[in-house]
Amino acid sequence: SQTIHQWPATLVQPVGSPLSLECTVEGTSNPNLYWYRQAAGRGLQLLFYSVGIGQISSEVPQNLSASRPQDRQFILSSKKLLLSDSGFYLCAWSMAGYNQPQHFGDGTRLSIL
Amino acid sequence: AQSVTQLDSQVPVFEEAPVELRCNYSSSVSVYLFWYVQYPNQGLQLLLKYLSGSTLVESINGFEAEFNKSQTSFHLRKPSVHISDTAEYFCAVGGGGNKLTFGTGTQLKVEL
Repeated sequence: SQTIHQWPATLVQPVGSPLSLECTVEGTSNPNLYWYRQAAGRGLQLLFYSVGIGQISSEVPQNLSASRPQDRQFILSSKKLLLSDSGFYLCAWSMAGYNQPQHFGDGTRLSIL
Repeated sequence: AQSVTQLDSQVPVFEEAPVELRCNYSSSVSVYLFWYVQYPNQGLQLLLKYLSGSTLVESINGFEAEFNKSQTSFHLRKPSVHISDTAEYFCAVGGGGNKLTFGTGTQLKVEL
């Protein structure tokens, strides 16, 4: 069966510091991968998605970036965090192809001080 | 483009009572619909999905949803809720691409 791992679960970072969140999927090949941010009462905001190694689509302009160095690895990064980057970050995967259900990791709670 | 509207941000209900969480969508193409559940400080879990075929879909824990094309709705129902059903529920729509559009969520609070 497929599993998704996301870490760390909780992170507290100062303003202006860098960020690296990692997500890996096991048990499948060539998945679609997604990064979301969830703010309280505002649902999920899609940040990036990827349909293959090195292929990244950005949904919103911001100071975050994503990379997919391996087939089942998806990384969310920032060079300098802003207060507004606080939130709950979720990684998800789906089978390749359209209209597939997405399966989520347990999320990272990011607090910026 | 698709959009999803979850009409209720919070739904309080007593244990063993029925509940309906409402979801309406807008899409210019064929739709694929999903309900997810999120427990505190966890990711979203797929509850049920409508891809094609029967318009009534069921989950293993007693929830069901009915796809109504004429009313563009995909409401989630359960005839008798349990305290453990307390969670946030998200409706999502896919429409021919790699992305899903999520609603803003409905917080279901089951009270004794």
